[in-house]
Amino acid sequence: NAGVTQTPKFRVLKTGQSMTLLCAQDMNHEYMYWYRQDPGMGLRLIHYSVGEGTTAKGEVPDGYNVSRLKKQNFLLGLESAAPSQTSVYFCASSYSMGAVGNQPQHFGDGTRLSIL
Amino acid sequence: GQSLEQPSEVTAVEGAIVQINCTYQTSGFYGLSWYQQHDGGAPTFLSYNALDGLEETGRFSSFLSRSDSYGYLLLQELQMKDSASYFCAVRAYSGNTPLVFGKGTRLSVIA
Repeated sequence: NAGVTQTPKFRVLKTGQSMTLLCAQDMNHEYMYWYRQDPGMGLRLIHYSVGEGTTAKGEVPDGYNVSRLKKQNFLLGLESAAPSQTSVYFCASSYSMGAVGNQPQHFGDGTRLSIL
Repeated sequence: GQSLEQPSEVTAVEGAIVQINCTYQTSGFYGLSWYQQHDGGAPTFLSYNALDGLEETGRFSSFLSRSDSYGYLLLQELQMKDSASYFCAVRAYSGNTPLVFGKGTRLSVIA
């Protein structure tokens, strides 16, 4: 039972390079999310998806793109990496948003990204 | 908009009780959630309050008062392994919007 799996776990990039972070979940969840976590800032939502083929902007979407071509996968792309994007990135999924009762989010172990 | 305020750091002694407060400003929301995150780890769900009052799960309890825009997480019989960051989170009624997290409270349990 893998839950939410993120790859890679660590990556170092140079400014201007591009890369894609992959998130895969095996719980048949409709909703998926990408967060970034910086010291003292908590979890900030970058983009999210309410189902296959859908994406929406979160609190800090600039400089990132996402795709949800398959229900189980949610990809986060950095088009042209900047040092300000150095962070820990977490993917999460949930069965629903939680309109009826509680639908907790399940998080992956994170991707630690450094941009030089 | 929504905003949640939590203390940034709390220190408590092993075996004691600690309360982590969360105050919020949002017009209406489904419930108050709490997540735990150990250093270097992923956030994990702890508890959820849909209604006012106290919810108990083992050593952990969570409380919500909508009229006071206030909630808290209570940890009893503290253990060293409880040293972690704790986040409160809410989801607003307006639209299909995801959880909004507070900035987290770092709990240090000392001997």
